[in-house]
Amino acid sequence: SAVISQKPSRDICQRGTSLTIQCQVDSQVTMMFWYRQQPGQSLTLIATANQGSEATYESGFVIDKFPISRPNLTFSTLTVSNMSPEDSSIYLCSVRDGAASNSPLHFGNGTRLTVT
Amino acid sequence: GNSVTQMEGPVTLSEEAFLTINCTYTATGYPSLFWYVQYPGEGLQLLLKATKADDKGSNKGFEATYRKETTSFHLEKGSVQVSDSAVYFCALSANDMRFGAGTRLTVKP
Repeated sequence: SAVISQKPSRDICQRGTSLTIQCQVDSQVTMMFWYRQQPGQSLTLIATANQGSEATYESGFVIDKFPISRPNLTFSTLTVSNMSPEDSSIYLCSVRDGAASNSPLHFGNGTRLTVT
Repeated sequence: GNSVTQMEGPVTLSEEAFLTINCTYTATGYPSLFWYVQYPGEGLQLLLKATKADDKGSNKGFEATYRKETTSFHLEKGSVQVSDSAVYFCALSANDMRFGAGTRLTVKP
């Protein structure tokens, strides 16, 4: 399975600021997925990051709030912009563990964000 | 659309008790089914999977059988340990991945 490194592992930020989360994978992958896990909740897909094209955002998430970069096949960043306390969540990067569209996802350890 | 409904928690058991966490799904086509586990302070780890009807996924003493007739994928373990305390997520994958709400399991010594 791919090894996914996410940084930072946690952060406490003030409202109105922005935080960029980095995700590094030890192998080349076509798609990288960014999820949000709000306290006590399940996972919600924010967007899919494809190398060489703009990210595809899910309903309720917009590029201005969550800009994503995908400069190469092993790296992606997610920025949480103009943060408010409602953005306090765990943010998770993931990749498919296989080529098939129904392959399982493999996750990084996540970034635990607290906005004060 | 595709969705997963998971037994609500929290679930508290004594060590060596039998565990069942119910999961049912709604999907078009033939999705793959998964159970993920999230230990405190960590990301999600794949626990087991099943890719077609009647498949049984198993790992670390946990089992789940893909039941197409009842659209279910219940997680079971015969004898839980304190180290099994975690949040368990049922998930399905067709063209995208859908997760259940998660069930928090606490095992007491």
